[in-house]
Parts: sequence; structure tokens; C-alpha cells
Amino acid sequence: KNQVEQSPQSLIILEGKNCTLQCNYTVSPFSNLRWYKQDTGRGPVSLTIMTFSENTKSNGRYTATLDADTKQSSLHITASQLSDSASYICVVADSWGKLQFGAGTQVVVTP
Amino acid sequence: DSGVTQTPKHLITATGQRVTLRCSPRSGDLSVYWYQQSLDQGLQFLIQYYNGEERAKGNILERFSAQQFPDLHSELNLSSLELGDSALYFCASSVDGGGYEQYFGPGTRLTVT
Repeated sequence: KNQVEQSPQSLIILEGKNCTLQCNYTVSPFSNLRWYKQDTGRGPVSLTIMTFSENTKSNGRYTATLDADTKQSSLHITASQLSDSASYICVVADSWGKLQFGAGTQVVVTP
Repeated sequence: DSGVTQTPKHLITATGQRVTLRCSPRSGDLSVYWYQQSLDQGLQFLIQYYNGEERAKGNILERFSAQQFPDLHSELNLSSLELGDSALYFCASSVDGGGYEQYFGPGTRLTVT
């Protein structure tokens, strides 16, 4: 069973609207959680990295939250743009540096 | 541009053949990671090298092997290729072995016919 579950699998949003992606994990012992953006056919690009002590982190219009107690994270996209259309991948690292990848959420922003 | 380079960009070959994918990490990065991403699948970690030594192994098949050279570039060798090996292969690099911040290359798209 995958130790990192993402939801929804895909979503379509109108340009200018906000959306929130979810990531639940069971990885233990936890070290850090990353969100990556991957455009189709290209390499993932890091958006945020959060450790145990961090509850929220922003990168422009992207805001990630982490609740290490419930083992949940979310990625909020504000005022979406067409260029936000991509797959968003949640990755969780354990204390030995081993990474577990979520399957990703495919976001499509329409005009 | 992440600073990680991968060659070739595209590769088309037949079943049973052997190919080599090449990766040059960012300047100063000592670790190289290889990932496989099949169509509509998530990233699968294959193997990690740190300063020339194998550091961690993931879901890498026995038909696949990798190495990291003294100049820190890495090669992933895929042999006895099967149709199911068709995928995007990504290389990432990080400054240390912990991989806290990994920078991904543009990938090599392998098509096995």
C-alpha cells in the first residue's frame, strides 16, 4: 500500500479561482514533506519543503500546510493561472532520507 | 533550468536491446538519483549514488544498472529491454547524500518497440 495518498486524482478549475490539494501519509519516522510541480513531459520542480516543526510555507501563490499529528498536508493554489496546469506531487521523506512519492494530482486550469 | 542535464532527450529502440542514459548533476552536487516514470504512473525511485558510491536502492530491476564516475556524472544502463520499460527516466541531484533538496533534470523519454 502506498504510504503517500493524494486527493483528488484530478481536478479542473477556472482561471482565477482557488483550489486545495490533499496529501495523507503514513511514512514514519517522518523527516520532511515536499510538494513538487511537474509539467507534462518535464522534470518535477520543488515548490515547498516542510519539516516537522513547520505548519505552513508559502511560495508565491502556493501555500502548503502540514499537520504532523494527523499526518496530513495540503497545497493551496491562490488565483490560479493557466500556467498552473500541471501534476502536483507530494513526497514524504523518512529519517533515513528514503522518499515516498504520491501518485500526484493532475490540475487543469481552464480560461 | 535546474542545472541538471540529461542525454539523450529521446531514445527509440527495440526489445532485447541495451541503452545507456547519461546524467550530469548540478555543479557542486555530489548525489545523483535515478527515477522511472511510466505513462500515467508516479515517480519510482531506482537508485542513488553519492560521490561515486551506491547509497540507496529502490525498485531497480536486475536488468538495470548504474554508476557514478569520478567527475560525478552518472549513467543508467538498461539491458534486455522490454516493452514495459518504455518510460520517462529522470535524474536528480542534491548537494549531499540526504537529498533534502533534489533538482530534477529534463528527463530521457525511452520508447521500446
